[in-house]
Amino acid sequence: ELKVEQNPLFLSMQEGKNYTIYCNYSTTSDRLYWYRQDPGKSLESLFVLLSNGAVKQEGRLMASLDTKARLSTLHITAAVHDLSATYFCAVASGGYSGGGADGLTFGKGTHLIIQP
Amino acid sequence: NAGVTQTPKFRVLKTGQSMTLLCAQDMNHEYMYWYRQDPGMGLRLIHYSVGEGTTAKGEVPDGYNVSRLKKQNFLLGLESAAPSQTSVYFCASSPLTGAWVGSYEQYFGPGTRLTVT
Repeated sequence: ELKVEQNPLFLSMQEGKNYTIYCNYSTTSDRLYWYRQDPGKSLESLFVLLSNGAVKQEGRLMASLDTKARLSTLHITAAVHDLSATYFCAVASGGYSGGGADGLTFGKGTHLIIQP
Repeated sequence: NAGVTQTPKFRVLKTGQSMTLLCAQDMNHEYMYWYRQDPGMGLRLIHYSVGEGTTAKGEVPDGYNVSRLKKQNFLLGLESAAPSQTSVYFCASSPLTGAWVGSYEQYFGPGTRLTVT
């Protein structure tokens, strides 16, 4: 059974600081996703990581994937208040050979508050 | 494109009542999914479909039924609602995977907030 663990679950930080959210998963997977969710809203896709060593960056957010360690990180650089949200990582349970149709297993989310 | 839409947005049911949640997508995606989100639990997969006329169980399928009679629609049914089914329900869709960028994306609908009293 695939398990996905995120830490920390809650994070309060000041603007301008750097921080990293960690996502560990228990079994081999080909795809790892990062989503952002604002209160009362749906999920917004941030990154899809498909291979070992993959690194993607968008603005102040950078995600990386180490499939051997089964670990992904979401790094926040010089945080700003607008990045306050809940961040989820999710892992696909099906591989490419299966057509990638299987759904995602989500972590519990990291509730991020950035103080001005 | 409207993307993924869900109907209704909010609903309150009494225990034992039934209802159907509708998910529609206009992106011609093969795969569709139903998830539920509870506080502190992340999202959990209820059922999914790999194409018209097909359905499969996810992590938490008990108490739900689904149907995919048309490619663009995925229905989630609650035959006899229970308070434990109070949750926010999200539908998602995904294209057939391939080598092109974006083919592994899951696109989420706006959600349906269901309360069972």
